[in-house]
Amino acid sequence: AQSVAQPEDQVNVAEGNPLTVKCTYSVSGNPYLFWYVQYPNRGLQFLLKYITGDNLVKGSYGFEAEFNKSQTSFHLKKPSALVSDSALYFCAVRDIQTGANNLFFGTGTRLTVIP
Amino acid sequence: DTGVSQDPRHKITKRGQNVTFRCDPISEHNRLYWYRQTLGQGPEFLTYFQNEAQLEKSRLLSDRFSAERPKGSFSTLEIQRTEQGDSAMYLCASSLQGSSYEQYFGPGTRLTVT
Repeated sequence: AQSVAQPEDQVNVAEGNPLTVKCTYSVSGNPYLFWYVQYPNRGLQFLLKYITGDNLVKGSYGFEAEFNKSQTSFHLKKPSALVSDSALYFCAVRDIQTGANNLFFGTGTRLTVIP
Repeated sequence: DTGVSQDPRHKITKRGQNVTFRCDPISEHNRLYWYRQTLGQGPEFLTYFQNEAQLEKSRLLSDRFSAERPKGSFSTLEIQRTEQGDSAMYLCASSLQGSSYEQYFGPGTRLTVT
């Protein structure tokens, strides 16, 4: 079985401070990992992915994530948070139980950046 | 650049009625996915098309749910005899075979069953 855990429902951070949104996973074989962001009344937007290669992945809007195989984690980070980063963030893995390359999502973390 | 579009954006229906949602993927994308998202949860995969072939439908929630992609372009998701538990956001996503697996999502159709 596979799973994705986002242990924090809510993360608050002051504008300008670094932010981290946590994600751990459990999947057989090599994981394909993704972060998406969801703004109100809008669809999910792709931020970044890890398939293979460098453990530090850089993505859109200044976000990055570090793949840690030993800790089975893929935490999302940004050096300096903006108020406009306030949104719902989802971690996902490629679903290995179907042949569809669909995504298996965590429950999401709501990020609030305080001015 | 036109992204994934979905229609309608909102649908209110009475229990027992049938509803149909449409998804238009990014034009060159041959893979299309349907997901359902309920409040406080991440999207949940429903079904998958590669071109016009529905290659995975085991995750459709019941036999009241069906999907089509007749010409390999747009897709429809139909829910028959709707129930209050069907109230959710229905998301469509598309991707290009051979790309690195990222999917591009539409804005979703919010269904409310009264």
